[in-house]
Amino acid sequence: KAGVTQTPRYLIKTRGQQVTLSCSPISGHRSVSWYQQTPGQGLQFLFEYFSETQRNKGNFPGRFSGRQFSNSRSEMNVSTLELGDSALYLCASSYGDYSRLGEQYFGPGTRLTVT
Amino acid sequence: EDQVTQSPEALRLQEGESSSLNCSYTVSGLRGLFWYRQDPGKGPEFLFTLYSAGEEKEKERLKATLTKKESFLHITAPKPEDSATYLCAVQAYSGGSNYKLTFGKGTLLTVNP
Repeated sequence: KAGVTQTPRYLIKTRGQQVTLSCSPISGHRSVSWYQQTPGQGLQFLFEYFSETQRNKGNFPGRFSGRQFSNSRSEMNVSTLELGDSALYLCASSYGDYSRLGEQYFGPGTRLTVT
Repeated sequence: EDQVTQSPEALRLQEGESSSLNCSYTVSGLRGLFWYRQDPGKGPEFLFTLYSAGEEKEKERLKATLTKKESFLHITAPKPEDSATYLCAVQAYSGGSNYKLTFGKGTLLTVNP
């Protein structure tokens, strides 16, 4: 079974620009969650999509948004980039039932650098 | 606010020297506790799920245990390939029909040959 894939793997953007990251979950998984990982804050939850609907949301500003398509693939968008948005962005997929919410399978991440 | 604290932040062991990593949590309505391993440059890899106090899970040299306030990841006779950052996460009720996952900041384990 193919794992979670994320594209692109590396990205360099300038302050004020916007960026779109893509995530393809494991086949059969209906839930996709997005996380931001930085050395200081660790892994922080951005949001979760299940069957094309945002089901859970973390404490990030509205500049961070996402969506999920009918094939469960998901995209995350960050508008008006700030220097502090530099981080590793990880997506994770799961079957989506709450009894196993933490049994997530992560992709390799997208390393975003904002200059 | 839900809190997950992992200790120590970093641990250096000699090959074969057993030890434990700690994950303490303060959450309301715990639904599960999860352990992950993360290698440099990669996403976390799921290891274990623990649901209730007293539960234990084992995988090769790793054993995870859970009490009402904390979880331990015991590493027996570690090898250099066990070197990684170990993350724990707790799933807790967040209102309505929703649950959220909160991660600790991890323990960086280095095993020297």
